[in-house]
Amino acid sequence: DAKTTQPPSMDCAEGRAANLPCNHSTISGNEYVYWYRQIHSQGPQYIIHGLKNNETNEMASLIITEDRKSSTLILPHATLRDTAVYYCSGGYSTLTFGKGTMLLVSP
Amino acid sequence: ETGVTQTPRHLVMGMTNKKSLKCEQHLGHNAMYWYKQSAKKPLELMFVYNFKEQTENNSVPSRFSPECPNSSHLFLHLHTLQPEDSALYLCASSQELGRHGYTFGSGTRLTVV
Repeated sequence: DAKTTQPPSMDCAEGRAANLPCNHSTISGNEYVYWYRQIHSQGPQYIIHGLKNNETNEMASLIITEDRKSSTLILPHATLRDTAVYYCSGGYSTLTFGKGTMLLVSP
Repeated sequence: ETGVTQTPRHLVMGMTNKKSLKCEQHLGHNAMYWYKQSAKKPLELMFVYNFKEQTENNSVPSRFSPECPNSSHLFLHLHTLQPEDSALYLCASSQELGRHGYTFGSGTRLTVV
């Protein structure tokens, strides 16, 4: 499974876009990049995933670099409820998680 | 509710007790997982089941014993635990092994005294 590196914390003003980076330089060709988030004391929640192409859903957008060594999760209009730990993960048969990024959205 | 239900939500047990954690999903998923989340540590994958068969055991001590009677239910039997086993235990499921749209339960907060 790919080893991932994320900044430990980030701040974002409410209503602004939150851009969360992730390095996954060891990812192999058939491993997807997954993003989850965990609000305090709850189970992680799936956000989005991608292989090569950029992806968008109702929650977020995922931008994957052409060499697939890094990606960025974009929350276009962050709200207070988006305050959580965000995990980037790569894997083939199972997922492993790093320490994630604590995103704090402030008024 | 995510579709994955874990019970109990909180559990306090002594080191000589035997208890079980339960996970149930009716999403039609065929793969189920146990993760452990200790304070200020990443989630650690413990066990993986695919179509009721255990496919992965990440060097978990034998005081943790998983059971998967069918694709909808997963148990984690606990006995003679240590205080350092106190953690949030999370169950997850996915359509298939290798299909990573995991759905997690809310977890069981375990405290060993």
